[in-house]
Amino acid sequence: AQSVTQPDIHITVSEGASLELRCNYSYGATPYLFWYVQSPGQGLQLLLKYFSGDTLVQGIKGFEAEFKRSQSSFNLRKPSVHWSDAAEYFCAVDLNTGNQFYFGTGTSLTVIP
Amino acid sequence: EPEVTQTPSHQVTQMGQEVILRCVPISNHLYFYWYRQILGQKVEFLVSFYNNEISEKSEIFDDQFSVERPDGSNFTLKIRSTKLEDSAMYFCASTAGLNTEAFFGQGTRLTVV
Repeated sequence: AQSVTQPDIHITVSEGASLELRCNYSYGATPYLFWYVQSPGQGLQLLLKYFSGDTLVQGIKGFEAEFKRSQSSFNLRKPSVHWSDAAEYFCAVDLNTGNQFYFGTGTSLTVIP
Repeated sequence: EPEVTQTPSHQVTQMGQEVILRCVPISNHLYFYWYRQILGQKVEFLVSFYNNEISEKSEIFDDQFSVERPDGSNFTLKIRSTKLEDSAMYFCASTAGLNTEAFFGQGTRLTVV
């Protein structure tokens, strides 16, 4: 069965520190990959996406993600987090079957001063 | 920037009552979706809609659920007889085409009492 795994339920980092959020998918072919962010009480905002081409993709708010086919991973990174980055982060895959996204369980990010 | 809008932001209803959640997708988009997120859990796909018919639905989307695009702008989700376990945040999304970025609304928090 297809699945998306975000192994880290909750991560706490200090402001200014680097961040990496993990995402692994289980699917036979390469899906389309997304990272969304959800601030408290808000909807889902797209951070970045990977369809094909360069495996390192740049997104909004200084985020980037790298697709690694050999590891079936699409980890999200930011070199220096800001307090406003505190939110829930969801990795999602689209299996090219009509935009049915499969979401991971999310990683909650806390940023401490 | 165009956005998906959802109304109401919060709906409280008694068990057994019918509810209609409303969404206005982005105007030139062709594919429409409903997702839900039970508190503390991941975002789950409910249904996709294209060309005035359901194109895909999950096992969650049983006979109690229906969707409609009654005019050129609104996309609604109806739950005929709500159950306590229907309490969740419901997100509407739309896309311009297959395998493109999905834009999500802010969500409607449904509380069934």
